[in-house]
Amino acid sequence: GAVVSQHPSWVICKSGTSVKIECRSLDFQATTMFWYRQFPKQSLMLMATSNEGSKATYEQGVEKDKFLINHASLTLSTLTVTSAHPEDSSFYICSARDSSDYEQYFGPGTRLTVT
Amino acid sequence: GQNIDQPTEMTATEGAIVQINCTYQTSGFNGLFWYQQHAGEAPTFLSYNVLDGLEEKGRFSSFLSRSKGYSYLLLKELQMKDSASYLCAASDSNYQLIWGAGTKLIIKP
Repeated sequence: GAVVSQHPSWVICKSGTSVKIECRSLDFQATTMFWYRQFPKQSLMLMATSNEGSKATYEQGVEKDKFLINHASLTLSTLTVTSAHPEDSSFYICSARDSSDYEQYFGPGTRLTVT
Repeated sequence: GQNIDQPTEMTATEGAIVQINCTYQTSGFNGLFWYQQHAGEAPTFLSYNVLDGLEEKGRFSSFLSRSKGYSYLLLKELQMKDSASYLCAASDSNYQLIWGAGTKLIIKP
Protein backbone atom coordinates (compact mmCIF):
# COMPACT_ATOMS: atom_id res chain seq x y z
CA GLY A 1 0.00 0.00 0.00
CA ALA A 2 0.82 3.72 0.16
CA VAL A 3 1.77 4.22 -3.46
CA VAL A 4 2.34 7.66 -4.95
CA SER A 5 2.66 8.18 -8.68
CA GLN A 6 3.97 11.11 -10.66
CA HIS A 7 3.41 12.02 -14.26
CA PRO A 8 5.32 12.60 -16.41
CA SER A 9 8.49 10.86 -15.27
CA TRP A 10 10.54 13.12 -17.49
CA VAL A 11 9.82 16.11 -19.68
CA ILE A 12 11.79 18.38 -21.98
CA CYS A 13 10.33 21.78 -22.75
CA LYS A 14 11.40 25.01 -24.38
CA SER A 15 12.24 28.10 -22.40
CA GLY A 16 9.18 30.26 -21.78
CA THR A 17 6.65 27.45 -21.86
CA SER A 18 4.74 25.99 -18.91
CA VAL A 19 4.87 22.44 -17.63
CA LYS A 20 2.40 20.65 -15.38
CA ILE A 21 3.44 17.76 -13.14
CA GLU A 22 0.83 15.55 -11.49
CA CYS A 23 1.16 13.74 -8.19
CA ARG A 24 -1.39 11.10 -7.23
CA SER A 25 -1.87 8.98 -4.14
CA LEU A 26 -3.17 5.68 -5.51
CA ASP A 27 -4.39 3.82 -2.46
CA PHE A 28 -4.82 6.37 0.31
CA GLN A 29 -6.19 9.82 0.87
CA ALA A 30 -3.42 12.39 1.00
CA THR A 31 -4.49 15.22 3.26
CA THR A 32 -1.07 16.80 2.83
CA MET A 33 1.24 16.76 -0.17
CA PHE A 34 4.75 18.12 -0.41
CA TRP A 35 6.70 19.29 -3.43
CA TYR A 36 10.47 19.04 -3.43
CA ARG A 37 13.19 20.02 -5.87
CA GLN A 38 16.56 18.34 -6.01
CA PHE A 39 19.55 19.58 -7.98
CA PRO A 40 22.36 17.17 -8.85
CA LYS A 41 24.39 15.99 -5.87
CA GLN A 42 22.27 18.06 -3.47
CA SER A 43 19.66 17.13 -0.92
CA LEU A 44 15.94 17.59 -1.20
CA MET A 45 14.68 21.17 -1.01
CA LEU A 46 11.10 21.60 0.13
CA MET A 47 9.30 23.99 -2.18
CA ALA A 48 5.80 23.98 -0.75
CA THR A 49 3.30 22.14 1.39
CA SER A 50 -0.29 21.80 0.28
CA ASN A 51 -3.33 20.69 2.20
CA GLU A 52 -6.38 19.51 0.30
CA GLY A 53 -8.76 22.33 -0.47
CA SER A 54 -6.54 25.15 0.73
CA LYS A 55 -3.74 27.28 -0.65
CA ALA A 56 -0.23 25.92 -0.61
CA THR A 57 2.35 27.20 1.85
CA TYR A 58 5.53 28.10 0.04
CA GLU A 59 9.01 27.99 1.49
CA GLN A 60 11.05 31.16 1.60
CA GLY A 61 12.59 31.98 -1.74
CA VAL A 62 10.12 29.94 -3.80
CA GLU A 63 8.07 32.11 -6.16
CA LYS A 64 4.42 31.21 -5.77
CA ASP A 65 3.50 32.85 -9.07
CA LYS A 66 6.05 30.76 -10.91
CA PHE A 67 5.37 27.44 -9.23
CA LEU A 68 1.61 27.04 -9.12
CA ILE A 69 0.37 24.29 -6.84
CA ASN A 70 -3.14 22.95 -6.79
CA HIS A 71 -4.40 20.27 -4.38
CA ALA A 72 -7.99 20.02 -5.45
CA SER A 73 -8.72 16.51 -4.23
CA LEU A 74 -7.46 14.06 -1.63
CA THR A 75 -5.64 12.07 -4.27
CA LEU A 76 -4.25 14.66 -6.67
CA SER A 77 -1.89 17.61 -6.49
CA THR A 78 -0.36 19.42 -9.44
CA LEU A 79 2.71 21.59 -9.79
CA THR A 80 2.84 23.91 -12.79
CA VAL A 81 6.16 25.50 -13.64
CA THR A 82 5.22 28.65 -15.53
CA SER A 83 7.48 30.41 -18.03
CA ALA A 84 10.17 27.81 -17.47
CA HIS A 85 13.83 28.75 -17.77
CA PRO A 86 16.91 26.54 -18.05
CA GLU A 87 17.70 27.15 -14.35
CA ASP A 88 14.39 25.45 -13.50
CA SER A 89 15.80 22.20 -14.86
CA SER A 90 15.78 19.85 -11.89
CA PHE A 91 14.35 16.69 -10.38
CA TYR A 92 10.93 17.44 -8.91
CA ILE A 93 9.60 15.00 -6.32
CA CYS A 94 6.27 14.95 -4.58
CA SER A 95 5.38 13.17 -1.37
CA ALA A 96 2.09 12.57 0.34
CA ARG A 97 0.89 11.90 3.84
CA ASP A 98 -2.50 11.05 5.27
CA SER A 99 -3.78 12.47 8.52
CA SER A 100 -3.17 9.29 10.49
CA ASP A 101 0.38 8.56 9.42
CA TYR A 102 3.72 10.11 10.26
CA GLU A 103 5.44 8.90 7.13
CA GLN A 104 5.72 10.73 3.83
CA TYR A 105 5.37 8.50 0.81
CA PHE A 106 7.38 9.66 -2.16
CA GLY A 107 6.51 9.65 -5.82
CA PRO A 108 9.15 8.45 -8.31
CA GLY A 109 10.05 12.00 -9.33
CA THR A 110 9.89 14.02 -12.54
CA ARG A 111 13.02 15.11 -14.32
CA LEU A 112 12.47 18.45 -16.02
CA THR A 113 14.87 19.75 -18.64
CA VAL A 114 14.30 23.24 -20.03
CA THR A 115 16.15 24.01 -23.25
CA GLY B 1 17.59 27.62 13.73
CA GLN B 2 16.91 24.15 12.44
CA ASN B 3 19.83 22.07 11.31
CA ILE B 4 20.72 18.51 10.35
CA ASP B 5 24.34 17.37 10.08
CA GLN B 6 25.59 14.16 8.53
CA PRO B 7 28.84 13.23 6.80
CA THR B 8 29.05 14.00 3.11
CA GLU B 9 30.57 10.73 2.02
CA MET B 10 31.64 7.39 3.48
CA THR B 11 33.37 4.36 2.01
CA ALA B 12 33.04 0.78 3.21
CA THR B 13 33.84 -2.72 2.05
CA GLU B 14 31.37 -5.30 0.84
CA GLY B 15 30.36 -7.60 3.71
CA ALA B 16 31.40 -5.12 6.39
CA ILE B 17 29.40 -2.88 8.74
CA VAL B 18 29.03 0.89 8.46
CA GLN B 19 27.47 3.45 10.78
CA ILE B 20 26.16 6.74 9.42
CA ASN B 21 25.70 9.41 12.06
CA CYS B 22 23.24 12.29 12.12
CA THR B 23 22.83 15.15 14.58
CA TYR B 24 19.84 17.43 14.56
CA GLN B 25 18.46 20.65 16.01
CA THR B 26 14.80 21.36 15.41
CA SER B 27 11.95 23.45 16.77
CA GLY B 28 10.08 20.64 18.45
CA PHE B 29 10.63 17.02 17.53
CA ASN B 30 8.29 14.38 16.20
CA GLY B 31 10.68 11.71 15.10
CA LEU B 32 13.73 10.95 12.99
CA PHE B 33 13.59 9.35 9.55
CA TRP B 34 16.19 7.65 7.42
CA TYR B 35 15.72 7.37 3.68
CA GLN B 36 17.79 5.68 0.98
CA GLN B 37 18.15 7.36 -2.39
CA HIS B 38 19.80 5.82 -5.42
CA ALA B 39 21.06 8.20 -8.09
CA GLY B 40 18.26 9.52 -10.27
CA GLU B 41 15.53 8.01 -8.11
CA ALA B 42 13.23 9.27 -5.38
CA PRO B 43 13.98 8.50 -1.71
CA THR B 44 12.67 5.29 -0.20
CA PHE B 45 11.78 4.94 3.47
CA LEU B 46 14.14 2.95 5.67
CA SER B 47 13.27 3.71 9.28
CA TYR B 48 11.52 5.95 11.77
CA ASN B 49 12.50 6.51 15.42
CA VAL B 50 10.59 8.63 17.88
CA LEU B 51 11.62 6.96 21.15
CA ASP B 52 15.16 6.49 22.39
CA GLY B 53 16.79 3.25 21.49
CA LEU B 54 17.61 0.90 18.67
CA GLU B 55 15.17 -0.25 16.02
CA GLU B 56 16.33 -3.28 14.05
CA LYS B 57 14.99 -4.18 10.64
CA GLY B 58 16.94 -6.90 8.89
CA ARG B 59 20.39 -5.70 7.88
CA PHE B 60 19.52 -2.11 8.78
CA SER B 61 19.17 -0.69 12.29
CA SER B 62 18.53 2.85 13.45
CA PHE B 63 19.28 4.41 16.81
CA LEU B 64 17.97 7.56 18.44
CA SER B 65 19.01 9.60 21.46
CA ARG B 66 16.60 12.50 21.91
CA SER B 67 18.59 14.06 24.75
CA LYS B 68 21.69 14.23 22.54
CA GLY B 69 19.89 15.12 19.30
CA TYR B 70 21.65 12.19 17.70
CA SER B 71 20.80 9.27 15.49
CA TYR B 72 22.69 6.68 13.50
CA LEU B 73 21.89 4.23 10.76
CA LEU B 74 23.75 0.94 10.96
CA LEU B 75 24.11 -1.20 7.86
CA LYS B 76 25.38 -4.75 8.27
CA GLU B 77 26.63 -7.31 5.73
CA LEU B 78 27.05 -4.60 3.16
CA GLN B 79 26.13 -5.41 -0.42
CA MET B 80 27.11 -3.54 -3.57
CA LYS B 81 23.47 -2.51 -4.03
CA ASP B 82 23.69 -0.55 -0.76
CA SER B 83 25.75 2.07 -2.59
CA ALA B 84 23.44 5.08 -2.41
CA SER B 85 22.84 8.32 -0.57
CA TYR B 86 21.34 8.04 2.89
CA LEU B 87 19.21 10.95 4.00
CA CYS B 88 18.51 11.82 7.61
CA ALA B 89 15.37 13.89 8.25
CA ALA B 90 13.88 15.18 11.50
CA SER B 91 10.21 15.96 11.90
CA ASP B 92 9.65 19.28 13.66
CA SER B 93 6.74 20.54 15.74
CA ASN B 94 4.66 21.08 12.58
CA TYR B 95 5.49 17.60 11.29
CA GLN B 96 7.60 19.16 8.55
CA LEU B 97 10.68 17.18 7.59
CA ILE B 98 13.99 18.97 7.99
CA TRP B 99 16.43 17.24 5.67
CA GLY B 100 20.12 16.62 5.97
CA ALA B 101 22.28 16.95 2.86
CA GLY B 102 22.67 13.19 2.64
CA THR B 103 25.60 10.82 3.05
CA LYS B 104 26.90 9.21 -0.11
CA LEU B 105 27.92 5.65 0.74
CA ILE B 106 30.41 3.99 -1.56
CA ILE B 107 30.77 0.22 -1.27
CA LYS B 108 34.01 -1.35 -2.54
CA PRO B 109 34.40 -5.04 -3.34
